[in-house]
Amino acid sequence: KAGVTQTPRYLIKTRGQQVTLSCSPISGHRSVSWYQQTPGQGLQFLFEYFSETQRNKGNFPGRFSGRQFSNSRSEMNVSTLELGDSALYLCASSPWTGANTEAFFGQGTRLTVV
Amino acid sequence: AQTVTQSQPEMSVQEAETVTLSCTYDTSESDYYLFWYKQPPSRQMILVIRQEAYKQQNATENRFSVNFQKAAKSFSLKISDSQLGDAAMYFCAYCKNNAGGTSYGKLTFGQGTILTVHP
Repeated sequence: KAGVTQTPRYLIKTRGQQVTLSCSPISGHRSVSWYQQTPGQGLQFLFEYFSETQRNKGNFPGRFSGRQFSNSRSEMNVSTLELGDSALYLCASSPWTGANTEAFFGQGTRLTVV
Repeated sequence: AQTVTQSQPEMSVQEAETVTLSCTYDTSESDYYLFWYKQPPSRQMILVIRQEAYKQQNATENRFSVNFQKAAKSFSLKISDSQLGDAAMYFCAYCKNNAGGTSYGKLTFGQGTILTVHP
């Protein structure tokens, strides 16, 4: 079974630009979550999608948005990039229900804003 | 809001020895899950062990075990017979058990503990 796939693995963008990151969950998983990881703030929850609906949202400005498609693939978008948006963005998928489930993480997208 | 605190930014251990990583959390919920995740240099987050708050028995996975003290809101990880491959950043995480099903999609993480294993 393929794991969680995030693309691209690395990105360099300029301040003011926008960026779209993609996440393909494990087949059959309906929940996709996004996290931002920085040395200063650690791992912070961005949002969670389930069946194309945003279920939870973290404390991030409106420049951060996401969506989920009918095949459970998810994208997150950051508009008007700031230097502080440089981070590792991690995606995780989970089946949502059932015992002994867990969040499975992708390898992340490293975003550098210059 | 839930918070998770890992007070040890770095820990080190000799190969084959035992090390304990500390974690405390704060929540007003009674039904939740706690996790330890490992993040090696590859950045892949890997689940090490899971604890359900309603279970009194401490979880164990091979060389990894936890000491779950619900009243004290403490959740420490013990690694026995440490191996070089255990070297990584370890994160403690909390997830509320939502009614109607558990969402593992909203995890609250601690700041992490870097574990170094010396040969």
